[in-house]
Amino acid sequence: GAGVSQSPSNKVTEKGKDVELRCDPISGHTALYWYRQRLGQGLEFLIYFQGNSAPDKSGLPSDRFSAERTGESVSTLTIQRTQQEDSAVYLCASSIRQWGNSPLHFGNGTRLTVT
Amino acid sequence: DQQVKQNSPSLSVQEGRISILNCDYTNSMFDYFLWYKKYPAEGPTFLISISSIKDKNEDGRFTVFLNKSAKHLSLHIVPSQPGDSAVYFCAASTSGTASKLTFGTGTRLQVTL
Repeated sequence: GAGVSQSPSNKVTEKGKDVELRCDPISGHTALYWYRQRLGQGLEFLIYFQGNSAPDKSGLPSDRFSAERTGESVSTLTIQRTQQEDSAVYLCASSIRQWGNSPLHFGNGTRLTVT
Repeated sequence: DQQVKQNSPSLSVQEGRISILNCDYTNSMFDYFLWYKKYPAEGPTFLISISSIKDKNEDGRFTVFLNKSAKHLSLHIVPSQPGDSAVYFCAASTSGTASKLTFGTGTRLQVTL
């Protein structure tokens, strides 16, 4: 497939459990982003990876959130000890470079529900 | 602190008419603006963008207008088509922090027959 792929598409978890969300960016895209959208809100920036540079983690809401990326490929977003306020759609996006005039290409998201 | 605001959560327009979606921002450092379109259960897709050095950018049926003094931008769709029914997000960034797009809350457009 040519697009950004995210898995799982839906995840229901109990409060306090850890979850791991996966993102496969478009091949050749060096920049990768994680956003989340809580109900009724806009997209909220979480973290940004660009090549081998140190990631920009400034959007992560707490130390329960972490993300990794292997080279210029797959990224995983991990949420430890999930809370109900973590319920949201988590969106991954990639772009061909630090975006400048290069638009972000989004995946379809992972809908996380914490019960 | 909502730096990008879309004050109309929804808009209904008749097919063939013009749709006008509005967006206001508060951060005067923003210098690049984008519109994304989102269908249910899909990720947002890029629609059109504008740099702060311009006041208008056009792409087919879509035109974005930027009024820097009013910190306001708008997206015009003409003529509107049923397939345009979606949620439209306005987004903005500053050159120095290009990785951090700031999004509005979205406007749901419904194009009726």
